[in-house]
Amino acid sequence: GESVGLHLPTLSVQEGDNSIINCAYSNSASDYFIWYKQESGKGPQFIIDIRSNMDKRQGQRVTVLLNKTVKHLSLQIAATQPGDSAVYFCAENPPGAGSYQLTFGKGTKLSVIP
Amino acid sequence: ETGVTQSPTHLIKTRGQQVTLRCSSQSGHNTVSWYQQALGQGPQFIFQYYREEENGRGNFPPRFSGLQFPNYSSELNVNALELDDSALYLCASSLAVTGGTGELFFGEGSRLTVL
Repeated sequence: GESVGLHLPTLSVQEGDNSIINCAYSNSASDYFIWYKQESGKGPQFIIDIRSNMDKRQGQRVTVLLNKTVKHLSLQIAATQPGDSAVYFCAENPPGAGSYQLTFGKGTKLSVIP
Repeated sequence: ETGVTQSPTHLIKTRGQQVTLRCSSQSGHNTVSWYQQALGQGPQFIFQYYREEENGRGNFPPRFSGLQFPNYSSELNVNALELDDSALYLCASSLAVTGGTGELFFGEGSRLTVL
């Protein structure tokens, strides 16, 4: 089966609220993780990444948290906006795979309610 | 916009036919990766090309093949098409093969329908 998966396939949040999207991975040796956003009809767009030697990384309105003990990754979006509506994928670069040879999860669809 | 362009955007083929999809990488990027994205699924890694050579392959049969040209553009070829090959095919380019970040630049994809 897939080594990267998601807990929730859909998520609806009110505009202005914070969103949390979760992801579980199974390969404890993976050392690099990325979150992508994919809008309808478009290719995935890089949001933020994190290496396994970090627990947290912040970007503009986004934070990624990595819990290696339970092999869990989350993406937090602050003050969610309608433009954040999309499908969000976590991806990992498994050990033994070359750079950019990523394993993606199935995705979570985020819907923002105005 | 990432600068990665793919063609065609949509195409329809029948079982047993062959298809060629094309990708122009972002300027200066020397690595191209191809992904298959079935409806409602995450992208799956097909293969990667670096300096005109295959540099890694996912769990796809040999009827999936590719090329990279001196200008770093790339082609994905699929022979003996099957119904399950219906998917969005994504091309992604990047600057470095090792030591880089995961910031792949994806194109908009080629939507293939096999009837």
